[in-house]
Amino acid sequence: QKEVEQDPGPLSVPEGAIVSLNCTYSNSAFQYFMWYRQYSRKGPELLMYTYSSGNKEDGRFTAQVDKSSKYISLFIRDSQPSDSATYLCAMSARYGQNFVFGPGTRLSVLP
Amino acid sequence: DSGVTQTPKHLITATGQRVTLRCSPRSGDLSVYWYQQSLDQGLQFLIQYYNGEERAKGNILERFSAQQFPDLHSELNLSSLELGDSALYFCASSVGTSGRAPSTDTQYFGPGTRLTVL
Repeated sequence: QKEVEQDPGPLSVPEGAIVSLNCTYSNSAFQYFMWYRQYSRKGPELLMYTYSSGNKEDGRFTAQVDKSSKYISLFIRDSQPSDSATYLCAMSARYGQNFVFGPGTRLSVLP
Repeated sequence: DSGVTQTPKHLITATGQRVTLRCSPRSGDLSVYWYQQSLDQGLQFLIQYYNGEERAKGNILERFSAQQFPDLHSELNLSSLELGDSALYFCASSVGTSGRAPSTDTQYFGPGTRLTVL
């Protein structure tokens, strides 16, 4: 079993839909959780960062962490074609060190 | 543009060879991270340096080594290359973890070096 699991997709949704992306993990020591967006042929860029459990909202993006279930989610509201990318979750036990990434979910938002 | 530069963009070499990948962090960033991204393994953390010193080690093979120089640029050396080393190699930089609140220590990724081993 991989340390971080993520459905690879591809996930196709119509423009304006609410998108739910998820990761599960096995290491209970993880307490820093991040979501990255990676466009084709580009490096990942940080979208959201969350510490421990709870929710965090930033514009159309909401990150949720449920440490008891070892499950994190990223919600995208009013999805746009420009959101089409691969979304990677990442986590670490100590921020800035030893990040473990999920394999990524490829998202396509169709106009 | 993240402000992190990586050279070269593409590298094609043969098995058994040695290559050096170079990374220049964003101005003011003290931490440099190296990652390998391949289709079957995804994004794998290799190693982190902070102000010239090794800070954390991930899934880095013994054939690979890295260093961060006094001017804060970093090099990743890959030797005795195998076909399976073909991948995208990313460098990322951040301000640094020492004395900084975690929420401010965002990693900024460079455009990557695509390595093809034939």
